[in-house]
Amino acid sequence: SQQGEEDPQALSIQEGENATMNCSYKTSINNLQWYRQNSGRGLVHLILIRSNEREKHSGRLRVTLDTSKKSSSLLITASRAADTASYFCATDTGGFKTIFGAGTRLFVKA
Amino acid sequence: EAEVAQSPRYKITEKSQAVAFWCDPISGHATLYWYRQILGQGPELLVQFQDESVVDDSQLPKDRFSAERLKGVDSTLKIQPAELGDSAMYLCASSLDRPTYNEQFFGPGTRLTVL
Repeated sequence: SQQGEEDPQALSIQEGENATMNCSYKTSINNLQWYRQNSGRGLVHLILIRSNEREKHSGRLRVTLDTSKKSSSLLITASRAADTASYFCATDTGGFKTIFGAGTRLFVKA
Repeated sequence: EAEVAQSPRYKITEKSQAVAFWCDPISGHATLYWYRQILGQGPELLVQFQDESVVDDSQLPKDRFSAERLKGVDSTLKIQPAELGDSAMYLCASSLDRPTYNEQFFGPGTRLTVL
């Protein structure tokens, strides 16, 4: 079962443009994390936002969390070809388990 | 920089055969996870260890899959017998402690192909 659903499923943009990905989830969470996965590789942690936080920044990344709408967004500013990857949101509902969504595939054209 | 190690990186086997995957987490990480990722989907948790104890194996097909972490360090995931539908990427991850507020560090994965 997947708690988070990313939108869009795929996104293609030009280098230098901003990329926005959304994640919706179903049940209350303790925190939400975003991970990146390059093709055929393991996942890399990008950022964690706690349920009592509304926005967080890390370099070119900006994450927002709206617990009333059960949704989060990941914004990558000034995208680069190296940002081409799949991006997953993962939710922690307070148990031991982290549940990943199906991901957004981002393609940045040089 | 410390990394999660996995082997083998690739495994091709015939159905009904046995396969085993090995994972060495980052030193000092108490929590270890095995995920299965089907192409085009997100990782699905198979089993989670806290030290040597299983804390979640609700999605592990226990009739054919087994996992152990005997000394609370490295871990082995076994499939016997393998089926065609087991073809996927198997990812191991570790975190300092339980996943709440702790990021997970992933290994490179083992890509399994069952013929």
